[in-house]
Amino acid sequence: KAGVTQTPRYLIKTRGQQVTLSCSPISGHRSVSWYQQTPGQGLQFLFEYFSETQRNKGNFPGRFSGRQFSNSRSEMNVSTLELGDSALYLCASSLSAGVRNEQFFGPGTRLTVL
Amino acid sequence: AQKVTQAQTEISVVEKEDVTLDCVYETRDTTYYLFWYKQPPSGELVFLIRRNSFDEQNEISGRYSWNFQKSTSSFNFTITASQVVDSAVYFCALSGGSYIPTFGRGTSLIVHP
Repeated sequence: KAGVTQTPRYLIKTRGQQVTLSCSPISGHRSVSWYQQTPGQGLQFLFEYFSETQRNKGNFPGRFSGRQFSNSRSEMNVSTLELGDSALYLCASSLSAGVRNEQFFGPGTRLTVL
Repeated sequence: AQKVTQAQTEISVVEKEDVTLDCVYETRDTTYYLFWYKQPPSGELVFLIRRNSFDEQNEISGRYSWNFQKSTSSFNFTITASQVVDSAVYFCALSGGSYIPTFGRGTSLIVHP
């Protein structure tokens, strides 16, 4: 069974641009969660989607948004990039809704904002 | 608000030593879940264990064991006979009533051959 895939793996953008990251969950998994990992703030929960609906959202500004498609694939968008958005963005999937379930993580997308 | 503290930033051991990673949490919720994840150099987090607040039974899985004590709000993780492949960053996490997980800052474990 293929694991969680994230594309692209690496991305370089400049301040003010926007970026879209993609996550394909494990086949059959309907929940996708996104996390941001930085040296300064550590691992932080961004949001969770289940059946195309956002279930929970962490404490991030509205520049961070996401969506989930009918095939459970998810995208995360960050608009008006700031230097502080440089991070490893991790996506995780699970069979059912709720971050309390066992989650399977992808390798992450490393975003660098210049 | 919930909080997870992993006071050990980095631990260095020699192979075959036993090592314990500490995790102390704070929450006002009566129902919550605790987790441990491993993050190897490749970057992706690997789920190790989940424990709910009503199950204080300790768990052993091979060389890994976990000690959950509500009285001290701790959920410690012990690796017995450590191996070089255990070298990674280990995260403790808590998910309470808000369903939003809070992670500790992680403990970097370095196992020397």
